[in-house]
Amino acid sequence: EVQLVESGGGLVQPGGSLRLSCAASGFTFSSYWMSWVRQAPGKGLEWVANIKQDGSEKYYVDSVKGRFTISRDNAKNSLYLQMNSLRAEDTAVYYCAGSPVGWLVHYWGQGTLVTVSS
Amino acid sequence: NFMLTQPHSVSESPGKTVTISCTRSSGSIASNYVQWYQQRPGSAPTTVIYEDNQRPSGVPDRFSGSIDSSSNSASLTISGLKTEDEADYYCQSYDSSIYWVFGGGTKLTVL
Repeated sequence: EVQLVESGGGLVQPGGSLRLSCAASGFTFSSYWMSWVRQAPGKGLEWVANIKQDGSEKYYVDSVKGRFTISRDNAKNSLYLQMNSLRAEDTAVYYCAGSPVGWLVHYWGQGTLVTVSS
Repeated sequence: NFMLTQPHSVSESPGKTVTISCTRSSGSIASNYVQWYQQRPGSAPTTVIYEDNQRPSGVPDRFSGSIDSSSNSASLTISGLKTEDEADYYCQSYDSSIYWVFGGGTKLTVL
């Protein structure tokens, strides 16, 4: 059974940092593009970042460039999102997602809530 | 970059057929694959259509996808509507740099 389990969400003050993790199982993690997609409360889905199977290519939505860093550890079957200089508008549920190709999602995690507030 | 525009909401009766559109603002809809995701209330999204018209295993054949170059749009069609189909549906595509774009979502009510 495929599982993507996010962790690391919580309440953080504006300007603070948080690191999200996603533990993958049930598929060959190292063969999959991985992504982060977020959803602000009551809003639609927004793509955040993608990373290629070997980590050699990374892509970000403009609003997080220079603040967020996507990374992966294929030996640990894990995906990460380091989030710095957090803003109120980063408040959202963050979903981990995976696919054999870089343009879609095959598998979704259940999400972790990040709240940026003082 | 381009935008994907979806109707805010649609409604239809059980057993009927509904179509949700997704219109690309610039560039050809046919130049990059379109995906469709279903999100039931309180749940994570799931993939119902990928690469324009492909169904993941486990998705019933009541769900189908298509693209129309004349209207520069993609469509998700659900036939034989069931109350369990009530959900938000999002289209998604990308540009040449694997920069993803999501539509704003369509709330489907089955009444």
